[in-house]
Amino acid sequence: NAGVTQTPKFRVLKTGQSMTLLCAQDMNHEYMYWYRQDPGMGLRLIHYSVGEGTTAKGEVPDGYNVSRLKKQNFLLGLESAAPSQTSVYFCASRGITYEQYFGPGTRLTVT
Amino acid sequence: SQQGEEDPQALSIQEGENATMNCSYKTSINNLQWYRQNSGRGLVHLILIRSNEREKHSGRLRVTLDTSKKSSSLLITASRAADTASYFCATPLDSNYQLIWGAGTKLIIKP
Repeated sequence: NAGVTQTPKFRVLKTGQSMTLLCAQDMNHEYMYWYRQDPGMGLRLIHYSVGEGTTAKGEVPDGYNVSRLKKQNFLLGLESAAPSQTSVYFCASRGITYEQYFGPGTRLTVT
Repeated sequence: SQQGEEDPQALSIQEGENATMNCSYKTSINNLQWYRQNSGRGLVHLILIRSNEREKHSGRLRVTLDTSKKSSSLLITASRAADTASYFCATPLDSNYQLIWGAGTKLIIKP
């Protein structure tokens, strides 16, 4: 039982490049989330999903897209990376209780 | 926007002492959660307190909730070096799908 996993763990992009972050959970959770965390700040929600095939915008969705084609996976895409997207990205999932379970994070640097 | 705000931003105490951190929030809630984040890692859920509860315990953790003051406190008793981490409070936004996070309290336990 791996919980929530994220790939890759680290990535360096040049401005304008694209990439996809993968989040996978094996807890059969309905809800999944993508957050970003910047130094000295709490988490800010980018997008979330309340079930397979659904997505919704969070607090800071601009520049990101997501897809939830399978219940266990939630993908975060950056179409044209910008330096302002340098951050640590966390995926989380939630079942019928309120607590969220987090992945280990992806550290992204955009130069 | 941040719903919860932790206080203090940083706290440094000697091992064995108690650590108290506070969280204030702005709107009515039905629950409040506390999470811990060790350096460079994902967040881990510690405890959830519901709006009809005033106090809750879990091991060395004690959480209080004062809905009239819109505040909560987390007390860690008999601190250990392993408690060194950042602690975040989170409150639900409207439908409970989303959590709003504070900026966290960075706790350092000195040996």
